Amino acid sequence: AQSVSQHNHHVILSEAASLELGCNYSYGGTVNLFWYVQYPGQHLQLLLKYFSGDPLVKGIKGFEAEFIKSKFSFNLRKPSVQWSDTAEYFCAVNAQGGGFKTIFGAGTRLFVKA
Amino acid sequence: GAVVSQHPSWVICKSGTSVKIECRSLDFQATTMFWYRQFPKQSLMLMATSNEGSKATYEQGVEKDKFLINHASLTLSTLTVTSAHPEDSSFYICSASRASNNEQYFGPGTRLTVT
Repeated sequence: AQSVSQHNHHVILSEAASLELGCNYSYGGTVNLFWYVQYPGQHLQLLLKYFSGDPLVKGIKGFEAEFIKSKFSFNLRKPSVQWSDTAEYFCAVNAQGGGFKTIFGAGTRLFVKA
Repeated sequence: GAVVSQHPSWVICKSGTSVKIECRSLDFQATTMFWYRQFPKQSLMLMATSNEGSKATYEQGVEKDKFLINHASLTLSTLTVTSAHPEDSSFYICSASRASNNEQYFGPGTRLTVT
C-alpha cells in the first residue's frame, strides 16, 4: 500500500529565509508526485507535479521540488519565502496505472513572519 | 479551465437527517471523481473513488451505506450523508480528473455541521 510521510508538521520562518519541506513516499512501483498548497480559507491548489523526465520540477510562485528515486523523496524548496507563502502544504502520491487514487501526506503548516 | 464547484459550501443540519453535497466539473468531463474528508488541522482522507456510470469504490473504514455516492454523469457526482450525526461534522472535498491526464482538480469544499 502507498503511504506518504511529511517530516515537519509545523515550520516557522522569517521572510527571505529558504524553505525545504520533506516528503517521502512508500511504494514499489512507478509513481506520480504532487505538492498542493492550501492558503487560509481557500481550497487546495496544485503547486507542481512530477510524472516523468527531469527530476527537478519547477512550479508556480517560485517553488521547485526534486524527485530522488533512490531515496523515495520529493522535497519541496523555495529559496526565499514571503509572508504570502503562509499556508499548509501537502505532498501527494498516486501510482501510475493505479486508477489515479491519490494519497496525501499529513501536511506541513508553514508560517512566515513578516 | 478545469474548474470544480461544490454545492452547498456550508450546510447545517439536525442529527438524523440526510444531506446531499454536489460536485460539478464546470468546463471538462470528469471520468473519475474523488471524495475526501478533512478534519481540522489534518490531512485529506480519501473516502471513495467514483467513475461515471459505475459503483463507487470505498476506502477501508468508510461506510458505503452512510455515505452514498452517485456519479450519474461526466460532470456531476453527489455525496449523500445519510442519518447524519455530530461526528459526521467535517469538511468534505471533492476532486475530479479527466482521462487525458493524471491531475486532480479540487473543489472548494463543503463544511457540514450536524447539530
